Amino acid sequence: DAGVTQSPTHLIKTRGQQVTLRCSPISGHKSVSWYQQVLGQGPQFIFQYYEKEERGRGNFPDRFSARQFPNYSSELNVNALLLGDSALYLCASSHGQGSYNSPLHFGNGTRLTVT
Amino acid sequence: GDSVTQMEGPVTLSEEAFLTINCTYTATGYPSLFWYVQYPGEGLQLLLKATKADDKGSNKGFEATYRKETTSFHLEKGSVQVSDSAVYFCALSTGNQFYFGTGTSLTVIP
Repeated sequence: DAGVTQSPTHLIKTRGQQVTLRCSPISGHKSVSWYQQVLGQGPQFIFQYYEKEERGRGNFPDRFSARQFPNYSSELNVNALLLGDSALYLCASSHGQGSYNSPLHFGNGTRLTVT
Repeated sequence: GDSVTQMEGPVTLSEEAFLTINCTYTATGYPSLFWYVQYPGEGLQLLLKATKADDKGSNKGFEATYRKETTSFHLEKGSVQVSDSAVYFCALSTGNQFYFGTGTSLTVIP
């Protein structure tokens, strides 16, 4: 079975621009989460979606938004990019809504560079 | 709030040496605990997990025991290989999000 797939793998944007990142979960997984990983740090939670509804949001500004589609794929949008948004953006899928017992399965990420 | 603190790196070991990476946690509920590994240029891969106190997770020679009394989940391996070189993340979950430590970089030299 295919794992979590993310596109694009790399992206370079200018400050003030907008970006859309895409994610396809593992087949059968209904939950998608987004994490931001700054170089040298652990991933930080941005959003969780389950059955197309937002189920959790981390401490990120409103410039960050996301959605989940009927096929459970997801998009992460970031508006008005700042230099500090440069990071690896990781998408993860899991089987159930709560991650309590259901581990996250990560994609390889999208490396976003803001100049 | 919920958080994870793990041993800072980098850690450099010779092949066949014993590995310990310390991890302690703070949680308001009863978390599940995880170790993830990240190889260069890749996302995180689940290494092992434990869902309740005294559980031992194990995989590929790595082990970690969920210790509620010391709020710890230390990662161990008896004999490391060059292929174990990677960044290791301790994580906890009490609901719909995971909290990750800052990662410990491990380099194993032949």
